[in-house]
Parts: sequence; C-alpha cells; structure tokens
Amino acid sequence: QKEVEQNSGPLSVPEGAIASLNCTYSDRGSQSFFWYRQYSGKSPELIMSIYSNGDKEDGRFTAQLNKASQYVSLLIRDSQPSDSATYLCAVKLGNAGNMLTFGGGTRLMVKP
Amino acid sequence: KAGVTQTPRYLIKTRGQQVTLSCSPISGHRSVSWYQQTPGQGLQFLFEYFSETQRNKGNFPGRFSGRQFSNSRSEMNVSTLELGDSALYLCASSPGLAGVSDTQYFGPGTRLTVL
Repeated sequence: QKEVEQNSGPLSVPEGAIASLNCTYSDRGSQSFFWYRQYSGKSPELIMSIYSNGDKEDGRFTAQLNKASQYVSLLIRDSQPSDSATYLCAVKLGNAGNMLTFGGGTRLMVKP
Repeated sequence: KAGVTQTPRYLIKTRGQQVTLSCSPISGHRSVSWYQQTPGQGLQFLFEYFSETQRNKGNFPGRFSGRQFSNSRSEMNVSTLELGDSALYLCASSPGLAGVSDTQYFGPGTRLTVL
C-alpha cells in the first residue's frame, strides 16, 4: 500500500465548475499537508498548506483535512482552463524534518 | 525575492559517468531538499540538508550523495550513472525552522538524460 494515494485521473470538469481532488495517507504521525500544482514540463508550485483539521480557504482554493479519516482534499471553485494541471498531494511527518512523501498526482482537465 | 535556482537545466550523460547538480535556495532559507521525479515512480525524496548537515535521507543507493555549503547552496552528485537515473531532479528550499509549518518551494529542476 502506497503511503499517500491519489486518483490518477484524469478528472474532467467544465469551466466554472467545482473540481474536487482527494488524497488519503497511511501514517497517522503525519502533521503537515501540502497541495502542489505541476504543469507539464514544469516544477511543482505550492497551492495550499494545511495543518489542522477543518477547512482552509485561499481565493478559489479550499483545503480540507480530516486526520481521523486520514484524508485531505482540495476544492477548486470556478475552475478555469488554466487550472488544467497535475495536482500533487504531499505529506510530512512531524518528526521527519522536511521529507515530503508525495502521492502520484491527479491530472485535472478543465474544459472550456 | 528570487526563487530557487538550479543549474544546469538540462544535462545529457552516458552510463558510467558521474554528474553534479547545483541548487541555490531562496535567500534566507537554510534547508535544501532534493527529489527525483520519474514517470514510473513519481516524486521521491532523496535527502535534506540543513546547516551543512544531512538531516534526512531517502531510500536511494549510495551513488547518490549531496552536500551543503555555508551559504546554504547545495550540490548533489550521482556517480556511475545508470539508464534508470534519467529523471527530473528537483531542489526545494525552506526556512528550515523546526515545526509543521516549514514549507518547501521548488526550483525549476534539472532534466538529466542518461544514454
């Protein structure tokens, strides 16, 4: 079993819709959770970080964390074609310095 | 603030050779981590350096090594290159402060091709 799991997609949504991206993790010691966006041929770009249970909103993005269910999600409201990319979920243990464990990524396609 | 820079951006080597990649972190950041990204294995952690000391190491063979200088710049070296080492090598920097909120920012990467 992979430590961080994501549906590889592609997840296809129409422009203006809400895109929902999900991630589960196996290590209950995980303390920090990050969403990165990666365009084809580019490096990962930080979208959101979340550390506490609940929701965290930043513009069109909302991250949700449920440590009891070992689940973290990213909602993108009013999806735009420019949001089409691979979204990577990354998890960090509390005592592991800066070692991030990544999921395989979900490819999002926003259709005009 | 300037972002993370990596050099070179592209590199072609042959099997058996060795390669050195360089990373300059965001100004003020003291932690530098290295990752390997391949289509098959995804993004995998190689190692992290903080204050010139290796703080964490991933599950890679000893052919992969790194170091960090007093100005926080870091290099990674791969010796005796194999075809499977072809990948995008990413450097990420963070302030390095202890705690859950230490966040990494990635550089543009070095694309290594081994022939």
